[in-house]
Amino acid sequence: DTGVSQDPRHKITKRGQNVTFRCDPISEHNRLYWYRQTLGQGPEFLTYFQNEAQLEKSRLLSDRFSAERPKGSFSTLEIQRTEQGDSAMYLCASSPGAGQGNYGYTFGSGTRLTVV
Amino acid sequence: AQKITQTQPGMFVQEKEAVTLDCTYDTSDPSYGLFWYKQPSSGEMIFLIYQGSYDQQNATEGRYSLNFQKARKSANLVISASQLGDSAMYFCAMREGRSNYKLTFGKGTLLTVNP
Repeated sequence: DTGVSQDPRHKITKRGQNVTFRCDPISEHNRLYWYRQTLGQGPEFLTYFQNEAQLEKSRLLSDRFSAERPKGSFSTLEIQRTEQGDSAMYLCASSPGAGQGNYGYTFGSGTRLTVV
Repeated sequence: AQKITQTQPGMFVQEKEAVTLDCTYDTSDPSYGLFWYKQPSSGEMIFLIYQGSYDQQNATEGRYSLNFQKARKSANLVISASQLGDSAMYFCAMREGRSNYKLTFGKGTLLTVNP
């Protein structure tokens, strides 16, 4: 296992279409996070999973967004009826559970979404 | 108020020289952690260094060191002997509380290393 994998790396979609991104975390990490990064900004928290349970969702995550992590392994982030404002880099990260070190997450390379 | 402030949108440094990237933070929680990440043009966020609020000594990791001034609420990143490959965006981030998991990021500083 060499790190966090995200697929696809780039996605161009037409406004109104649905898109789905996948994240494969480091296998021994039970925590998984999604962040969104717009141009010129730092990443912003979207949602967090511990194993298969989605424990928190940011207000940034509108009803058009849904995330899942079946069986506590990979995760998907779906955006329905995409809007131009959804254009951003979507970053996935994973980390060990509590008590397993304070060091930062391991991030994937991100999925860059462009809505035209 | 912003929790993480990075006041330098861009910085330039000559190869082999040292550079300091500024970060100030705002929290009322006595327990917190401060992180620095590097983001090259490829997009991946690369963890560089961590400082806990109760750590007595400044963190160091190879050419990276964190100048932690708790009373001033600053956590500046020092990169010694800059290399061309250090050119990237650098983000300061904070995690508040012992059991919290979210990172709050600053807006970043674009570092350019000149040959």
